[in-house]
Amino acid sequence: DAGVIQSPRHEVTEMGQEVTLRCKPISGHNSLFWYRQTMMRGLELLIYFNNNVPIDDSGMPEDRFSAKMPNASFSTLKIQPSEPRDSAVYFCASSLGAQDRNTIYFGEGSWLTVV
Amino acid sequence: QKEVEQNSGPLSVPEGAIASLNCTYSDRGSQSFFWYRQYSGKSPELIMSIYSNGDKEDGRFTAQLNKASQYVSLLIRDSQPSDSATYLCAVNNGNRDDKIIFGKGTRLHILP
Repeated sequence: DAGVIQSPRHEVTEMGQEVTLRCKPISGHNSLFWYRQTMMRGLELLIYFNNNVPIDDSGMPEDRFSAKMPNASFSTLKIQPSEPRDSAVYFCASSLGAQDRNTIYFGEGSWLTVV
Repeated sequence: QKEVEQNSGPLSVPEGAIASLNCTYSDRGSQSFFWYRQYSGKSPELIMSIYSNGDKEDGRFTAQLNKASQYVSLLIRDSQPSDSATYLCAVNNGNRDDKIIFGKGTRLHILP
């Protein structure tokens, strides 16, 4: 079975540019999560969706960040404009929810460097 | 107050010994507890989950949960060099079962 698929795997962009990260969750999973990982802050939950609806976006750092889930098989995380402090690994994860005791499964991550 | 706390390490353990990793959490309503292993440059992978007080064993791994003390631990028996990684403790939010919060992780180094 295909796992969570993220793209791009690596991106280097200049400050001020728009960045769009993409995620395809595991088929049948009804919850999708976006996490950001840095050495200083660890793995932070940015936002998560349940049945394509945003449930909690309290972790989104500021208005420059936005996330959408237009359908059950696709989500995007957008940063506009990007800043060097946004450099991090961004993980998408999905879950079957209560049916699987809320166990989440991660994609391979998108490594973002903003210069 | 941090929601999930772990000692950052590094924790150095001789090969063949028992590695003990600890985690405390702040939300008394939490019901699901997970341990993930993350190798450098890779994504976290689930190794253990536990939901009830007591011990749960899976091969060389044992997860221990004490809800009264808000404490969860992971024991790795017969530690191998391949166990060297960062171990992340994760806990669900008591108000939203599907919201999973992670600790910063403990770096484990198994000494050959």
